[in-house]
Amino acid sequence: AQKVTQAQTEISVVEKEDVTLDCVYETRDTTYYLFWYKQPPSGELVFLIRRNSFDEQNEISGRYSWNFQKSTSSFNFTITASQVVDSAVYFCALSEVSSGTASKLTFGTGTRLQVTL
Amino acid sequence: GAVVSQHPSWVICKSGTSVKIECRSLDFQATTMFWYRQFPKQSLMLMATSNEGSKATYEQGVEKDKFLINHASLTLSTLTVTSAHPEDSSFYICSARGRGYEQYFGPGTRLTVT
Repeated sequence: AQKVTQAQTEISVVEKEDVTLDCVYETRDTTYYLFWYKQPPSGELVFLIRRNSFDEQNEISGRYSWNFQKSTSSFNFTITASQVVDSAVYFCALSEVSSGTASKLTFGTGTRLQVTL
Repeated sequence: GAVVSQHPSWVICKSGTSVKIECRSLDFQATTMFWYRQFPKQSLMLMATSNEGSKATYEQGVEKDKFLINHASLTLSTLTVTSAHPEDSSFYICSARGRGYEQYFGPGTRLTVT
């Protein structure tokens, strides 16, 4: 069965600090997708990134970057120069691509990020 | 594009009554829709997967007679919480998937049962 672990429950940083959110996953599939979502206090999930299991290239998007390492089953997310608006709960999620499934997402427990001035 | 709406955004109902939540894909056809539940400060838990025109597939531990799901068209799925109790109070989120692999999430519905 698939599983996603986000060991950091809450992180508090001061604005402009860099912060890395950890995500470790378990799956028996060789083909799968990994996601990061942001959930601000309003509750709506905001899609940040999707990565398939065959693409281990790291990605950078503005202040966001992602480090995917299959060898350690990790998909970590770094925010550079954090801002107060980054305060939210961040979820890592996994979707296996198996016959008979319909892209079910398994979410981690989330990391609550608090950025203060 | 790829907008999913939910209605209502919040609802308060009395214990024992039923409440219906709608999930609509506004600009694409959703062959599959998913319903999640999220308790305060917890993660999203998948409740069921619904495919247009067929019965929903419920996750283990989810009572299908209590949480009725109907996916009558390619743009609408509904979740009805029957005989609601205070422990059903939660944040319900739907997502929709079109032809591609991406899931698009609705804004969620906050249900409070008094």
